[in-house]
Amino acid sequence: DVKVTQSSRYLVKRTGEKVFLECVQDMDHENMFWYRQDPGLGLRLIYFSYDVKMKEKGDIPEGYSVSREKKERFSLILESASTNQTSMYLCASSLSEMLRYEQYFGPGTRLTVT
Amino acid sequence: DAKTTQPTSMDCAEGRAANLPCNHSTISGNEYVYWYRQIHSQGPQYIIHGLKNNETNEMASLIITEDRKSSTLILPHATLRDTAVYYCIVALGNKLVFGAGTILRVKS
Repeated sequence: DVKVTQSSRYLVKRTGEKVFLECVQDMDHENMFWYRQDPGLGLRLIYFSYDVKMKEKGDIPEGYSVSREKKERFSLILESASTNQTSMYLCASSLSEMLRYEQYFGPGTRLTVT
Repeated sequence: DAKTTQPTSMDCAEGRAANLPCNHSTISGNEYVYWYRQIHSQGPQYIIHGLKNNETNEMASLIITEDRKSSTLILPHATLRDTAVYYCIVALGNKLVFGAGTILRVKS
């Protein structure tokens, strides 16, 4: 089974702190994604990566950056956390094969910024 | 990406088939239909996807109309553990856009 793990289930940070959210997948997937999920807004794509050191902006990249130094690991960075970044953050991965675009999600990190 | 329309919520009796509809009238010829679900406090889980033909796997069946403007996800024997939000997504490639989904409540 594909396993996507995220470094923390719950995280509390203060405004202005630099925050790192880590995601690791164990199935050699080329693609990795970061989403945030908020009530009434659904899941929104922040960034995705289709290869090591490659990244593309999603729909809401402002205030975030990402890093992918190894194939299995994709990090989301909040350079200076703000209260409006309080949310559930979900990581996902997928293969790049044709017809195999299904994404596998981690359990999520609930981040609270105070 | 094409937009989808799903009912806000549905109820289903345990052991019966759950049929979840989705309208995607603006779907383009090469866009796939994906279904995911999200059980409370967990990440979304892939269920099934298809292009034109009906598909079946160990979790569910996907019925796509001939004009591809709508589809139905079928859970053949719903259990209490199938209670979740079900998302119908139409997409080309990797970029998925999740809508509000359908809350399916399976009742004993």
